Formats: sequence, structure tokens, C-alpha cells
Amino acid sequence: DVKVTQSSRYLVKRTGEKVFLECVQDMDHENMFWYRQDPGLGLRLIYFSYDVKMKEKGDIPEGYSVSREKKERFSLILESASTNQTSMYLCASSYRDGTEAFFGQGTRLTVV
Amino acid sequence: QKEVEQNSGPLSVPEGAIASLNCTYSDRGSQSFFWYRQYSGKSPELIMSIYSNGDKEDGRFTAQLNKASQYVSLLIRDSQPSDSATYLCAVEKSSGDKLTFGTGTRLAVRP
Repeated sequence: DVKVTQSSRYLVKRTGEKVFLECVQDMDHENMFWYRQDPGLGLRLIYFSYDVKMKEKGDIPEGYSVSREKKERFSLILESASTNQTSMYLCASSYRDGTEAFFGQGTRLTVV
Repeated sequence: QKEVEQNSGPLSVPEGAIASLNCTYSDRGSQSFFWYRQYSGKSPELIMSIYSNGDKEDGRFTAQLNKASQYVSLLIRDSQPSDSATYLCAVEKSSGDKLTFGTGTRLAVRP
């Protein structure tokens, strides 16, 4: 079974803090994604990566950056957390283009 | 126009009925289509994928794709209360492109 693991289930951070969200997949998938999910807005893509050290902006990259130093790990970085970044963050991976994405359990981030 | 559109619902059906969930997409070049189920507080899980026009059946679930009309639907036969969840439609426009999700349709199955 594919396993996508996010480092934290719940996180509370203060405004202005630098926040790291980690995601690891164990199935040698090429593609990895970071989404945020908010009520009424659905899943919105922040960044995705189709190879090590490669990254592409999604629909809402502002205020975020990513890192993919190893194939299995994709990190989302909030450079200076703000209250409007309070959300559910979901990591996903897929084997290659056109194949289904598998999701991690999600990280509910609260910025106070 | 949104790239992927779904009726937010809630769609309420009685137990044992057929639930029909619809999704339209804007890009004619789209090639891959997925249905995910998401229970409250949980992450999305894949139910069906479909790539060609027509129907694809898996147990109680049938996905239908019509590229000419740019819609994809999900039928759930013999609906159960455990099917109550939000159903997300996802579309990949072309190879190497992003997977775009609709906002989801909330389904409620009444016992």
C-alpha cells in the first residue's frame, strides 16, 4: 500500500514564525503536491514537484516555498506565518503524470 | 469560469437509492479524471479513475465520462449511510500539468 506521511497532524504557530511541514512517501513516486483546503474553496494547489530539486508553482504560491532534496520527501515552508494561512494542508504523491494521487493524513495548522 | 465545477450540495438520497454526482470541466484537452471521497476531518481517498469516454464500473460505483460535453459523473448504486461524505472531482489537463479539484459535492444518505 502507498503510504504518504505528514510530520504533524495538528500544529499551532505564532504569527511571523517560520513553519516547516514535512511529507514523506514510500512508493518511489515521481510527483508530489502540496494543497491547502478551506471550507467553500476546496483543494487549492500551492506547489508541486515532478522530480528531485524541481518545483512548479500552483494556484496560490504566495507566502510559501518548497524543497525537494530527495525523491521521497517534499517540504512546505511558510516563510513568515500569517493568520490567513490557518488551514488544512494536504500532501499528495503520484507515480507519474496521469495517475491517481494518494494523500497524506493532513496537517491542521493554526496561526495565532 | 472555474476549471472544475461541482454542485456543492448537499445531495440527500434515501438508503438503497442511486446517488448521481456530476462534474464539468473547462479545458477540452483534459485527459485524466478522478473521483475522490472525503469523510469529515479525513483526507481524500481515491474511488475511481477514468480516461476514456463511456462508463467504468467498480462494484457499486460507476464513473461516466463524456469528453465532447466536458462532464464526468459518478453513480453510486444501493447507497448506504456509510457513503455519506464529500465527493471530489479531479481533472488533469495534460501530461505534466497539475491535478485540479472541484470544491466537492456533499452527499447525505438517509437511513
